[in-house]
Amino acid sequence: DAKTTQPTSMDCAEGRAANLPCNHSTISGNEYVYWYRQIHSQGPQYIIHGLKNNETNEMASLIITEDRKSSTLILPHATLRDTAVYYCIVRFLGNNDMRFGAGTRLTVKP
Amino acid sequence: EAGVTQFPSHSVIEKGQTVTLRCDPISGHDNLYWYRRVMGKEIKFLLHFVKESKQDESGMPNNRFLAERTGGTYSTLKVQPAELEDSGVYFCASSQLWTNNEQFFGPGTRLTVL
Repeated sequence: DAKTTQPTSMDCAEGRAANLPCNHSTISGNEYVYWYRQIHSQGPQYIIHGLKNNETNEMASLIITEDRKSSTLILPHATLRDTAVYYCIVRFLGNNDMRFGAGTRLTVKP
Repeated sequence: EAGVTQFPSHSVIEKGQTVTLRCDPISGHDNLYWYRRVMGKEIKFLLHFVKESKQDESGMPNNRFLAERTGGTYSTLKVQPAELEDSGVYFCASSQLWTNNEQFFGPGTRLTVL
């Protein structure tokens, strides 16, 4: 699986959009980009995933660049409850295990 | 629908003792995974069951760890004998067969070895 690079930490004001970047320059054509988050003392939680096209669900949007070497997770209206560590994971369709990195610690401030 | 459950939530044991962690996946999920985060480290994959069969156990750290999933329902992870470096949080996750989308994680078991 390709390696990902994320900023160690980010802050965001409550009610504003949180944009979390991820670099995955060695991604291959059939690797998907997944985002999970871990709120303190809980298990990781799935957010969204995509291959080439931008994706949106009730939690977030995922923007993948045309060359697929980077992506951005967007939380449109961050709340205090979105404070968590966010993990960008790249994996092949056939790999079932998740390779977590260090993630980005997002702090949403009032 | 109940989520992935893990028991116990916390366990404190002494070095050399044995501990067994249990995971109950979401009903109908044939894929079951174990992960762990030891202090200050990243979450690491341990192993993957498909039903009762071990599909991938490449992440198991050593032979002190034994995972089972008899009958393809719940799974246990036994650590025998426990060492100080085994302290951490052990997560279980499950997903449906033939999908590589969402893995549902349990709340984890915090293991402390003294």
